[in-house]
Amino acid sequence: KQEVTQIPAALSVPEGENLVLNCSFTDSAIYNLQWFRQDPGKGLTSLLLIQSSQREQTSGRLNASLDKSSGRSTLYIAASQPGDSATYLCAVVTDSWGKFQFGAGTQVVVTP
Amino acid sequence: GAGVSQSPSNKVTEKGKDVELRCDPISGHTALYWYRQRLGQGLEFLIYFQGNSAPDKSGLPSDRFSAERTGESVSTLTIQRTQQEDSAVYLCASSRGLAGDEQFFGPGTRLTVL
Repeated sequence: KQEVTQIPAALSVPEGENLVLNCSFTDSAIYNLQWFRQDPGKGLTSLLLIQSSQREQTSGRLNASLDKSSGRSTLYIAASQPGDSATYLCAVVTDSWGKFQFGAGTQVVVTP
Repeated sequence: GAGVSQSPSNKVTEKGKDVELRCDPISGHTALYWYRQRLGQGLEFLIYFQGNSAPDKSGLPSDRFSAERTGESVSTLTIQRTQQEDSAVYLCASSRGLAGDEQFFGPGTRLTVL
């Protein structure tokens, strides 16, 4: 059974620092991995989607890497801003139906 | 609209009552998923639709939970005889239908059972 772990559970950084969020999964046979952002009381906003054949994806200040063999993905957020404060979730798809297995999330606070 | 929509956004009900939660996926998306997020916990998969069929209902926690989808569009999640442990945010997502496709989530319905 796929297990998804996110470390750390919480992170606080001063504005301007780079953020590094980790996601690990136990079953490397994934279809894809998706990073989401969740603001309090809101739904999930998709940040980056990495297909199983890809090593990384980039969008603006965000970069996500994927190492399937070691069961790891890392989300980098450059030059953090207070508006980046949110909970970040990673999720993997390991079955042909496409359903996600989610990590518990990393709660990020960026202080001005 | 362009995104996934859900209604109501908030629902407060008394224990024992039935509730219906609605999801409108992105037009043309054949795959639709329901997830649940209880307070302080991670997201749990409930049910998956491909078109109007539900090949994976493995996440439904009890027979009080059911869901249907019509016209390969709107889906309704019904919870009968609600219990306090059903209190959660219920999230719906849709995708074009392949396992590797990006999924887009709605804003969720916050259900509170008193």
